[in-house]
Amino acid sequence: GDSVTQMEGPVTLSEEAFLTINCTYTATGYPSLFWYVQYPGEGLQLLLKATKADDKGSNKGFEATYRKETTSFHLEKGSVQVSDSAVYFCALSDSSYKLIFGSGTRLLVRP
Amino acid sequence: SAVISQKPSRDICQRGTSLTIQCQVDSQVTMMFWYRQQPGQSLTLIATANQGSEATYESGFVIDKFPISRPNLTFSTLTVSNMSPEDSSIYLCSVDTSGGTEQFFGPGTRLTVL
Repeated sequence: GDSVTQMEGPVTLSEEAFLTINCTYTATGYPSLFWYVQYPGEGLQLLLKATKADDKGSNKGFEATYRKETTSFHLEKGSVQVSDSAVYFCALSDSSYKLIFGSGTRLLVRP
Repeated sequence: SAVISQKPSRDICQRGTSLTIQCQVDSQVTMMFWYRQQPGQSLTLIATANQGSEATYESGFVIDKFPISRPNLTFSTLTVSNMSPEDSSIYLCSVDTSGGTEQFFGPGTRLTVL
């Protein structure tokens, strides 16, 4: 079945460092891809999405590009802030619209 | 977008009892989903709840344990039956508003079973 694999955390960075969180997927069709973020004590929020190959999703300085050839959707940000500390989930949506999540990556940004 | 509320936000329950979680959406939506997030874990889909049809359960989840109602296009309930400590999790409902390209989540219900 479809699945999502993302890098293990926690990831600890200093403020203004470059962030990459790797995400790869396995799917039989052409899924939509998402990054969700869960800030401490808060609910799950959609961070960005891409619905077809080569699409780039972006929001709040975060970017991810849908790479069909490498089945990847890596999350990047050029300069992280302390407020970016959260758990990040990569997910795909299959033909039935249900979401399949990766295991989540905790990001801790130190001042 | 969609604004989703859940009740209760948290509860502490005794083993063997049942809890019904409510999910209310501010607009009419066809597709609703219920997820479980066990402590420190990712989200796992429990079932898809579409109005006018029986809920569709994922592998490992059964209707007797997690009965779901979907009486209209803005409301759904999930019941966690005959609870055990292993049911301690955050339960979240979500809705799809754009044909698989966007899904919004409720704030979750944090359940602790003693």
